[in-house]
Amino acid sequence: KNQVEQSPQSLIILEGKNCTLQCNYTVSPFSNLRWYKQDTGRGPVSLTIMTFSENTKSNGRYTATLDADTKQSSLHITASQLSDSASYICVVSRNTNAGKSTFGDGTTLTVKP
Amino acid sequence: EPEVTQTPSHQVTQMGQEVILRCVPISNHLYFYWYRQILGQKVEFLVSFYNNEISEKSEIFDDQFSVERPDGSNFTLKIRSTKLEDSAMYFCASRRDGTYNEQFFGPGTRLTVL
Repeated sequence: KNQVEQSPQSLIILEGKNCTLQCNYTVSPFSNLRWYKQDTGRGPVSLTIMTFSENTKSNGRYTATLDADTKQSSLHITASQLSDSASYICVVSRNTNAGKSTFGDGTTLTVKP
Repeated sequence: EPEVTQTPSHQVTQMGQEVILRCVPISNHLYFYWYRQILGQKVEFLVSFYNNEISEKSEIFDDQFSVERPDGSNFTLKIRSTKLEDSAMYFCASRRDGTYNEQFFGPGTRLTVL
């Protein structure tokens, strides 16, 4: 069964600190893995997208890694800001024409001053 | 910057009524998707649409659901006879051609079934 599991479920950090979110998946055949940021009541916004051959991808203070052999990914947030408080969702797409996506449950990040 | 738009932002309906949720994907995109997110739960795939037909659909997308691209710009999701459990945020997304291109999500329509 195609699944995406994220950890931790929730995380609280102080402003300025770094954090790392984890994603494990069993989706097959693999096409790409995306990390999204979703503010409450809003649509997900893409942070990074990685294909099979990519190990790391950065977008400002966000750095995602991918190990396609172990089927694991991480999202590292550097120098957190209050505005980083949101749900971070790992999404893995299958290598089919339509690219059906499986969403993880998300990690709820709270950044406190 | 082009974006996916959805209307209405909030729809309230009575159980058993039909609703149509509307989406305007980004103009040069070819793949279209509907997702739903029940409050407090994760986003779930409903259906993908390409070349004027459904490409894939989930087990959630039963006979009560249908999608249509009635003209060159709109992409709609119809729920024929709404149930209480259909209450959720419904997100539309679109993607350019190419498997590795990202999907862009709209802001969502909050559907409340009373």
